Amino acid sequence: QSVLTQPPSASGTPGQRVSISCSGSSSNIGSNYVFWYQQLPGTAPKFIIYRNTQRPSGVPDRFSASKSGTSASLAISGLRSEDEADYYCAAWDDSLSAVVFGGGTKLTVL
Amino acid sequence: QVQLVQSGAEMKKPGASVKVSCKSTGYTFNTYGISWVRQAPGQGLDWMGWISAYSDDTKHAQKFRGRVILTTDTSTSTAYMELRSLRFDDTAVYYCARDYRSGSIDYWGQGTLVTVSS
Repeated sequence: QSVLTQPPSASGTPGQRVSISCSGSSSNIGSNYVFWYQQLPGTAPKFIIYRNTQRPSGVPDRFSASKSGTSASLAISGLRSEDEADYYCAAWDDSLSAVVFGGGTKLTVL
Repeated sequence: QVQLVQSGAEMKKPGASVKVSCKSTGYTFNTYGISWVRQAPGQGLDWMGWISAYSDDTKHAQKFRGRVILTTDTSTSTAYMELRSLRFDDTAVYYCARDYRSGSIDYWGQGTLVTVSS
């Protein structure tokens, strides 16, 4: 059971907007930065959001994120087939003194 | 560009140890730390620990304390993760990742498959 809670799956059609939620607590999301990672099949994770809302260079602006209290959310607009992947949120947890990940959300582009 | 290149796949017997290396290029190694994360087949990401390359600080996930040893060699910009007393359920892909202060993971290595089999 993961410390951060994500829906196991999400889906959308090309061009649609989808959101993936990540729920935590005051000891992790509530007091530390949230990072988001995209893992394409058979590859290593890649960071797509850092420090809650920042997008690294090279990541399309179709990807955006937000954080409020003890929850965070990743949004993908203009959905494309190449966005089909697993998405993970992560944050430092002050109580556990550990990095905690969400269980991952498998995004399917229908 | 930032790159982390890991050593190749390993196959070990239960009870043995494995040591995975992770060589960093494209940034100043001793201004960041390195986190280690593993992923069992078909499962999610599991953080193992973090080591600073700019101080003597290390952090370990509770479940790995006493079994994992994290080290760095700043002369070669390489980090190492040694896991001892291997069990069947340690079979996983092990990743290193650049992490400034533990909890700030950005760039990842390509992963190293460790298979524990008798």
